Amino acid sequence: DIQMTQSPSSLSASVGDRVTITCRASQGISNSLAWYQQKPGKAPKLLLYAASRLESGVPSRFSGSGSGTDYTLTISSLQPEDFATYYCQQYYSTPPWTFGQGTKVEIK
Amino acid sequence: QVQLVESGGGVVQPGGSLRLSCAASGFTFSSYGMHWVRQAPGKGLEWVAFIRYDGSNKYYADSVKGRFTISRDNSKNTLYLQMNSLRAEDTAVYYCAKERGHIFDYWGQGTLVTVSS
Repeated sequence: DIQMTQSPSSLSASVGDRVTITCRASQGISNSLAWYQQKPGKAPKLLLYAASRLESGVPSRFSGSGSGTDYTLTISSLQPEDFATYYCQQYYSTPPWTFGQGTKVEIK
Repeated sequence: QVQLVESGGGVVQPGGSLRLSCAASGFTFSSYGMHWVRQAPGKGLEWVAFIRYDGSNKYYADSVKGRFTISRDNSKNTLYLQMNSLRAEDTAVYYCAKERGHIFDYWGQGTLVTVSS
């Protein structure tokens, strides 16, 4: 099974900050990576897929990059509604579909 | 618009059973694979099970294999998860999710399953 490791587990940032979250796979996943946002008490929401493709309706301040085993989610200018937990998920080798442990973005 | 509505959660004793349902609307249910994903309190997301659009293939996480069964009724636009031999560690919010190219593009609001004596 492919293991996904996110860093950091949590971070504090201010509105307007640039935020970067990293996701590392235990083996190469050829850009088969998605990112989700989850707010407290809500279901996850798909943000990006294929490492860098923005899902329809998602603001352009969200972007993704990476290759091989290492991927990043960047929020270019953090907005109040972006405070949430973010998860990466690989779909290169399934089953199982595996998620990172999550990164909680908190208000500084 | 796509809607997924889970139901059937509740409190059950260890060793008990529960069946979850997920009612789908707003898309051609019979054309898409579907997943169950769970989230234990305060924890991350864990994939549980997947069923192909026609029910021909089913896959399970090792943690639930042999105890949980995923199924679907395309005539009713409904996904199911039969959970037997429940354990305390199965306590979680269970989400159904629609598949698109191996990603989860729409999620339900979740239903809470609590396994406790």
